[in-house]
Amino acid sequence: GDSVTQMEGPVTLSEEAFLTINCTYTATGYPSLFWYVQYPGEGLQLLLKATKADDKGSNKGFEATYRKETTSFHLEKGSVQVSDSAVYFCALSVGGTSYGKLTFGQGTILTVHP
Amino acid sequence: EAGVVQSPRYKIIEKKQPVAFWCNPISGHNTLYWYLQNLGQGPELLIRYENEEAVDDSQLPKDRFSAERLKGVDSTLKIQPAELGDSAVYLCASSKTGSGSDTQYFGPGTRLTVL
Repeated sequence: GDSVTQMEGPVTLSEEAFLTINCTYTATGYPSLFWYVQYPGEGLQLLLKATKADDKGSNKGFEATYRKETTSFHLEKGSVQVSDSAVYFCALSVGGTSYGKLTFGQGTILTVHP
Repeated sequence: EAGVVQSPRYKIIEKKQPVAFWCNPISGHNTLYWYLQNLGQGPELLIRYENEEAVDDSQLPKDRFSAERLKGVDSTLKIQPAELGDSAVYLCASSKTGSGSDTQYFGPGTRLTVL
């Protein structure tokens, strides 16, 4: 079945450090890929998405590139801020009978210190 | 534009008691989802509605869980009776299928504790 694997956390960084959170996937068919973020006490928010190979999603300084050859969608940010502290989820969605179903990774907790 | 609304935000019950969660999706969103999120894990889909029809309920434990979406707007998820293992966060999401975007918007969730 479809699955998403994220790098194990938690991740602790100092402000202005470079961030990478690894995400790899297994899917039947051609998935769309997403990164969601969950701030403390809030619901999941879509951070960025990509729907085909080599697409780059970007938002709020975060970027991720859809790599079909390595089945990966790693999240990066050049300079993190304290306000980026949250839980980050990689997810995929495929079409067909599973259309609309998001399959999530286990989440990565990011803590950024001043 | 108001987001997805869920209530209650927190619920504590004794095992074997019934419990219900309510969700109001974003106005105009025809697709509604219920997800279960266990501690330290990503959400897992329980059921998906297209308007008032449940089009994917394969992951819903039907012996104790039920859901409804009357008139294709609000939805209620019920557990009867609740078990200790049901302690989790129940998330509702909605999307506007057919709009060219499949982005799902999530509510804040209901955190259930079963004692």
